[in-house]
Amino acid sequence: ETGVTQSPTHLIKTRGQQVTLRCSSQSGHNTVSWYQQALGQGPQFIFQYYREEENGRGNFPPRFSGLQFPNYSSELNVNALELDDSALYLCASSRTGRGQETQYFGPGTRLLVL
Amino acid sequence: QKEVEQNSGPLSVPEGAIASLNCTYSDRGSQSFFWYRQYSGKSPELIMSIYSNGDKEDGRFTAQLNKASQYVSLLIRDSQPSDSATYLCALLSNTGKLIFGQGTTLQVKP
Repeated sequence: ETGVTQSPTHLIKTRGQQVTLRCSSQSGHNTVSWYQQALGQGPQFIFQYYREEENGRGNFPPRFSGLQFPNYSSELNVNALELDDSALYLCASSRTGRGQETQYFGPGTRLLVL
Repeated sequence: QKEVEQNSGPLSVPEGAIASLNCTYSDRGSQSFFWYRQYSGKSPELIMSIYSNGDKEDGRFTAQLNKASQYVSLLIRDSQPSDSATYLCALLSNTGKLIFGQGTTLQVKP
């Protein structure tokens, strides 16, 4: 167990809806990164939050947004869901500032968009 | 050219054999490399990290890094059926994001 938790574990939505996914980071970690993993592919970086600020963003449209709270937990919001958003969403926590930051993944949220 | 490339497999080895998983990368400036194991339907689990050229051993696992050849590998000795999974190679970019390969599926046959 990595100490990183995510909720919910599974979610079914319809196209056009909005979804919020949640992540609690490992104790002592100040950075949360979000990844999308489509079936048969490696995870793709969505964005990263460090001390409540976005600290880098991948090639995802603005309808993917997020935030980080003072306790370093984080949310990923996706608006106007599309069928291609169906994927496993992974949250990873790490500690920025020590160098060579290792990212530890939570169990993921599997999203199905119908 | 993809930033991190892996053969998707499947790589099939008999129980007790050595499994060799390979990964190449394009960014010559990359410094930090990771191997994650992912069982079907589960999230990636860190197996090894490697930052310096050469070998790093942890139990049955050995990671090898050759920065001149831009090549990372993972050897699994005495492979067990429980090692059957997808193995993801990743590098840490200078912006703090992990860049993953597609993953190699390993099948260990009893």
